[in-house]
Amino acid sequence: EVQLVESGGGLVKPGGSLRLSCAASGFTFSSYSMNWVRQAPGKGLEWVSSISSSSSYIYYADSVKGRFTISRDNAKNSLYLQMNSLRAEDTAVYYCARGGGDYVSATFDYWGQGTLVTVSS
Amino acid sequence: QSVLTQSPSASGTPGQRVTISCSGSSSNIGSNTVNWYQQLPGTAPKLLIYSNNQRPSGVPDRFSGSKSGTSASLAISGLQSEDEADYYCAAWYDSLNGPVFGGGTRLTVL
Repeated sequence: EVQLVESGGGLVKPGGSLRLSCAASGFTFSSYSMNWVRQAPGKGLEWVSSISSSSSYIYYADSVKGRFTISRDNAKNSLYLQMNSLRAEDTAVYYCARGGGDYVSATFDYWGQGTLVTVSS
Repeated sequence: QSVLTQSPSASGTPGQRVTISCSGSSSNIGSNTVNWYQQLPGTAPKLLIYSNNQRPSGVPDRFSGSKSGTSASLAISGLQSEDEADYYCAAWYDSLNGPVFGGGTRLTVL
């Protein structure tokens, strides 16, 4: 059974940093692209970042480019999102989602339960 | 304002057929496949339709997808109360070099 479990969310002050983690199990992690998608309270889904299976291709939404860094450790079956210079508008539930293949696409076939990030003073 | 346009709401009665639309451009839907996601209240999204009209294992055949030009549609037949959820379309956006979501459609079963 595919499982994705996010952790690392919490309350942080504007300008602060946070590192999210996603622990994957139940599939060959190194064969799939991975993604972060967020959802602000009461709002729709927003793609944040994607990374190909071997980390060769990395993409970011304009809203987080230069502030967030996606990475993965295939030996540990883990995905990460380093978030710096956080703003109030980054407040959201952050979902880890598996891609449909080793390449990056708009297909997210499994999702974690999400971790809440709140940016507030 | 989302790159992909969806009506904010839709509704239907049990047993009815409802359609949810998603409108884009030549740089997203027009040149890439469309996926649909279902988000039940208080839960994570779930892949409902991929590659325009393919259903993942376990998704009932009451759900179907189609695409024509720069628009796509999700149809739900034999509407059930448990179908009450938010539905999102998504497609790769060449200009952004990343995926984009529609704003979402909240389906209410009356």
